[in-house]
Amino acid sequence: EVQLVESGGGWVQPGGSLRLSCAASGFTFSSYAMNWVRQAPGKGLEWVSGISGSGVYTFYADSVMGRFTISRDNFRNTLHLQMKSLRAEDTAVYYCAKGSDSRPDYFDDWGQGTLVTVPS
Amino acid sequence: EIVMTQSPATLSVSPGDRATLSCRASQSVSSNLAWYQQKPGQAPRLLIYGASTRATGIPARFSGSGSGTEFTLTISSLQSEDFAVYYCQQYDNWPPLTFGGGTEVEIK
Repeated sequence: EVQLVESGGGWVQPGGSLRLSCAASGFTFSSYAMNWVRQAPGKGLEWVSGISGSGVYTFYADSVMGRFTISRDNFRNTLHLQMKSLRAEDTAVYYCAKGSDSRPDYFDDWGQGTLVTVPS
Repeated sequence: EIVMTQSPATLSVSPGDRATLSCRASQSVSSNLAWYQQKPGQAPRLLIYGASTRATGIPARFSGSGSGTEFTLTISSLQSEDFAVYYCQQYDNWPPLTFGGGTEVEIK
């Protein structure tokens, strides 16, 4: 059974930094792209970033480009999102989502999410 | 960036009735479209990929159709557990991967 467990969320001042992690189990982690998808309170889903199975290729939404960095540790089966220069509009539940293949496409498994709050 | 537009925003349906949800892409996404269901306080769940293929464990009352720019999710006979928000997502042209704004299916 696939399990994705996010951690690292919390309250952070504007301009601050936070590092999210996602511990994966139940599948061959290095074979699948992984993604971060966020959902602001009461709003829809927004893809934030994706990384190929090998970790060589990374992709970002324009809204976070240059501020967020996605990475993965295929030995520890862990996905990370380093977030810097945080803004109020980054406030959201951040979900770790598994891709169906080695490159980002659709999301066939999701974690329970971790809340990031940046006050305005 | 491909913009995904879902309609209606809210759909009021009686249990046992059919629900038809629409999703339109600003340019062709071929059949590279997925549908998700999200219940309050829960993570989204994959329902459909490839526009019409049900994900593992998804009941047959859920069906997807369409290609190019027009897509439909149909729930043939709504059960109580189907009242939720539904999102479409394209994965044809990225980054970015983009979602529609969602359709809330509520009890009539």
